[in-house]
Amino acid sequence: EAGVAQSPRYKIIEKRQSVAFWCNPISGHATLYWYQQILGQGPKLLIQFQNNGVVDDSQLPKDRFSAERLKGVDSTLKIQPAKLEDSAVYLCASSRNSNTEAFFGQGTRLTVV
Amino acid sequence: QKEVEQNSGPLSVPEGAIASLNCTYSDRVSQSFFWYRQYSGKSPELIMSIYSNGDKEDGRFTAQLNKASQYVSLLIRDSQPSDSATYLCAAENYGGSQGNLIFGKGTKLSVKP
Repeated sequence: EAGVAQSPRYKIIEKRQSVAFWCNPISGHATLYWYQQILGQGPKLLIQFQNNGVVDDSQLPKDRFSAERLKGVDSTLKIQPAKLEDSAVYLCASSRNSNTEAFFGQGTRLTVV
Repeated sequence: QKEVEQNSGPLSVPEGAIASLNCTYSDRVSQSFFWYRQYSGKSPELIMSIYSNGDKEDGRFTAQLNKASQYVSLLIRDSQPSDSATYLCAAENYGGSQGNLIFGKGTKLSVKP
């Protein structure tokens, strides 16, 4: 079974630019999560989708971050405009449903300069 | 108090010893807890989950939960150099799901040959 796929693996942008990350969850997984992991810290949940609906986006900085999962499968996370403090690894995770284990992708390492 | 707190370490143990990793939590999280292992540059991987007071064993790993003291621990017996990683303690968010987690900062474990 293929794991959670994310791209790109690495991205370097200048502050105030925009960036987008893509995630393809494990086939059949209805729940999808985006986490932000700053160096030296644990992951922080940004947003949770159940199929194509948002379940929890309470920690998403909505003035600059947006995410969508239009067809209930792939998801994109966008930052516009980026700030220096957005430098982090962005992890996508998926689970079969909300009551089962979540599996993480390899992440996208973002550096904002 | 933060919702989930861990000593960031590093914790160094000799090969074959027992490694003890600890985590405390606040009243602001639910009563489901998870231990993830994260190798450097890799994504978190679930090792153990625990929901009830007491011990739960899986191979060389034992998770312990003490709800009265708001304390969760992970014991690794017969530690191996391959166990060297950062161990993340996580609690399920109230009203959330198994993937909607609040993580501690992680404890870095080093097992010396």
